[in-house]
Amino acid sequence: EIVLTQSPATLSVSPGERATLSCRASQSVRSSLAWYQQKPGQAPRLLMYGASTRVTGIPDRFSGSGSGTEFTLTISSLQSEDFAVYYCQQYDKWPPLHTFGQGTKLEIK
Amino acid sequence: EVQLVQSGQEVKKPGESLNISCKTSGYNFANYWIGWVRQTPGKGLEWMGIIYPGDSDTRYNPSFQGQVTISADTSISTAYLLWRSLKASDTAIYYCARTGDTAIPNWFDSWGQGALVIVSS
Repeated sequence: EIVLTQSPATLSVSPGERATLSCRASQSVRSSLAWYQQKPGQAPRLLMYGASTRVTGIPDRFSGSGSGTEFTLTISSLQSEDFAVYYCQQYDKWPPLHTFGQGTKLEIK
Repeated sequence: EVQLVQSGQEVKKPGESLNISCKTSGYNFANYWIGWVRQTPGKGLEWMGIIYPGDSDTRYNPSFQGQVTISADTSISTAYLLWRSLKASDTAIYYCARTGDTAIPNWFDSWGQGALVIVSS
């Protein structure tokens, strides 16, 4: 099973500043990585897939990068609605055994 | 508009059976993989398994194999998650979600609202 390790567990950032979230895979997942945002009481929402392809409707302040084992989600200028928990997910293998990271909580500083 | 609507909260006793549902609309149900994801405070999001309704090809996370059964009914565009004998450790929120690509399971682009399952004596 591929293990995804997200860091940091909690990130405190002020509105308007940049946030950088990391996701590391225990083995290469090529570019088969997605990012989700989850707010309290809601289902996760897909932000990014293919490591760097933004979903339609997601603001361009969100960007993803990386391949292989190291991935980054960057939020360039934090808005109040961006404070949430973010998860990465790999979907590289067949037969599928897709896994999620443990999440990064982005909180207001 | 793609929609996944899950059945409601359940409170069950250990050893009881349970079937929760995920009714979909707005797309061709048979052509997209549908998966189930468990969320608990301690373990976060866990990918449980996935089904392709068009041919019922079903794949499980080994951690959940034998513990649950995933099925789908194309006549009513609904997926199911079945337990034959619940345990207290099954207490969690369960999400169904549709994959974003028709060909192979990958990212989940649409999610149900979640179903809270509480198992307690």
